[in-house]
Amino acid sequence: DSGVTQTPKHLITATGQRVTLRCSPRSGDLSVYWYQQSLDQGLQFLIQYYNGEERAKGNILERFSAQQFPDLHSELNLSSLELGDSALYFCASSARTTHTGELFFGEGSRLTVL
Amino acid sequence: DQQVKQNSPSLSVQEGRISILNCDYTNSMFDYFLWYKKYPAEGPTFLISISSIKDKNEDGRFTVFLNKSAKHLSLHIVPSQPGDSAVYFCAASGAGAAGNKLTFGGGTRVLVKP
Repeated sequence: DSGVTQTPKHLITATGQRVTLRCSPRSGDLSVYWYQQSLDQGLQFLIQYYNGEERAKGNILERFSAQQFPDLHSELNLSSLELGDSALYFCASSARTTHTGELFFGEGSRLTVL
Repeated sequence: DQQVKQNSPSLSVQEGRISILNCDYTNSMFDYFLWYKKYPAEGPTFLISISSIKDKNEDGRFTVFLNKSAKHLSLHIVPSQPGDSAVYFCAASGAGAAGNKLTFGGGTRVLVKP
């Protein structure tokens, strides 16, 4: 158990819809990262928050947005969903701002867009 | 543009023998490298890391080697055990243009046969 909690674990929805994925980081971790893994591919970095502020951005689509709340949990919002958005979405947390230490990953949220 | 590549999608090895996983990178700004292990239905878990100021780091059965001139790193698992069967991802991070994020390879699926 990494200490990172993601909900929901599975989500099935239709094209054009909007979903919200939630992540609770490990206790005390200030950094939250979101990654997308499609079809047995590597993990693609989407976005990082540190203590409520956006810290780094990857190849995140404009239809996607995220935020980190004062209690440090984070939400990833995916809108106008397309078939290609079907993927595993991982949240990770760390105590640091940079990747010089390990990240602790949640079990992921599997999104299926039909 | 794949900055981190794992050219072998899968590897099969006999229990007790050595597993060698390879990873190549292109971005010379990367200065920290990590290996993560992933079991089905779980998030990736940190395995071992190496800083670019070193060429070897060992932790029990796991050793990571870094060849900066070749922009290549490898993970050796000796001896391999059935519980090592998983997908292994190499990842890299760095300052400056590499950004404040981890860049992952596509993964290598390892099967250790009893």
